[in-house]
Amino acid sequence: GAGVSQTPSNKVTEKGKYVELRCDPISGHTALYWYRQSLGQGPEFLIYFQGTGAADDSGLPNDRFFAVRPEGSVSTLKIQRTERGDSAVYLCASGSGGENTEAFFGQGTRLTVV
Amino acid sequence: AQSVAQPEDQVNVAEGNPLTVKCTYSVSGNPYLFWYVQYPNRGLQFLLKYITGDNLVKGSYGFEAEFNKSQTSFHLKKPSALVSDSALYFCAVRDMNRDDKIIFGKGTRLHILP
Repeated sequence: GAGVSQTPSNKVTEKGKYVELRCDPISGHTALYWYRQSLGQGPEFLIYFQGTGAADDSGLPNDRFFAVRPEGSVSTLKIQRTERGDSAVYLCASGSGGENTEAFFGQGTRLTVV
Repeated sequence: AQSVAQPEDQVNVAEGNPLTVKCTYSVSGNPYLFWYVQYPNRGLQFLLKYITGDNLVKGSYGFEAEFNKSQTSFHLKKPSALVSDSALYFCAVRDMNRDDKIIFGKGTRLHILP
């Protein structure tokens, strides 16, 4: 497709379980971002990839959160030992870099930890 | 580190009147600046950006924004508001000199009153 695709759109998991959230960026985009958004709040930065490498992971809240982008395209955000406070909408965005520096967002994955 | 402030949680404007949504930013280098809009249960949509050049930039749906370096501001404007403009608006900044992550403000809810 032409846009950023995130799967699943909704995920309900039990406290303590492991989850993986997937992001398919726009083809050819080298930059990929993960954000977390709580209701009525702005997107909170988590991690930023340029190509395969994490250029900045300073927003990851703790070591339960990890993200990979092994081939410089699809990315997976992994959350271990989920907690109720992890419940939020996880947003992925991609960009082509340079002066075309804006990011284009997917629809997000709504994660609910019960 | 870069940051964005949106001082108004909510802005109410009568339909047909001009609207302004305020944003100020802080970066160590030169900024790339963005505005995004979010409709209920939808992803973030890119509206416009400032990279360099003319301080007044025009974007989608008749919106424009004015970059003011001395005041470190990037206010969003529209000459005549529509009820359909009611949504959540986010200002964002990226440090041009660091090829860095994009940081978002907390958002401003815009209500256009019929």
